[in-house]
Amino acid sequence: KQEVTQIPAALSVPEGENLVLNCSFTDSAIYNLQWFRQDPGKGLTSLLLIQSSQREQTSGRLNASLDKSSGRSTLYIAASQPGDSATYLCALLNQAGTALIFGKGTTLSVSS
Amino acid sequence: GAVVSQHPSRVICKSGTSVKIECRSLDFQATTMFWYRQFPKQSLMLMATSNEGSKATYEQGVEKDKFLINHASLTLSTLTVTSAHPEDSSFYICSARGQTSGQETQYFGPGTRLLVL
Repeated sequence: KQEVTQIPAALSVPEGENLVLNCSFTDSAIYNLQWFRQDPGKGLTSLLLIQSSQREQTSGRLNASLDKSSGRSTLYIAASQPGDSATYLCALLNQAGTALIFGKGTTLSVSS
Repeated sequence: GAVVSQHPSRVICKSGTSVKIECRSLDFQATTMFWYRQFPKQSLMLMATSNEGSKATYEQGVEKDKFLINHASLTLSTLTVTSAHPEDSSFYICSARGQTSGQETQYFGPGTRLLVL
């Protein structure tokens, strides 16, 4: 059974720092992996989607990488801002599955 | 971009009552809709998957008679929590998958916060 783990569970950084959020998964037979942002009490905003054949995707200050062989993905946030404060969720779609499997998320707090 | 709406956004009800949550894909046809539940500080857990016109497939541990799912059209799915109890209080998020711009993508609704007193 696929398991998705995100470390750390919470992270506090001062504004301007570059940071890395980690996601690991137990079964490398995935179709794609997505990173989402969730603000308190809100739904999900998709940030980046990496297909299984890709190694990374970039959008603005965000860069997500995927290493299927080691079962890892990272989300790199450059020059963090207070507006980046949210919970970041990693989710993947198994090759044999139909629904996304989510990690518990990393709650990020960026102080000004 | 594609939009998925949920209604209501928040609901408070008494124990024993039933609550219906609607999920709509606003500008695309959703071949498949998913219902997730999220407890505080927990990940989203898939409850059930539904395809238009057929019965929903429930995940292990989710009572199908308690969580009634109807996927009546390609743009609407409903989740009814029957005889709700305080332990059903949670954040319910729907997701719709369909073709947009020639690509199959999954979009999430804004969620419904349910509080059962």
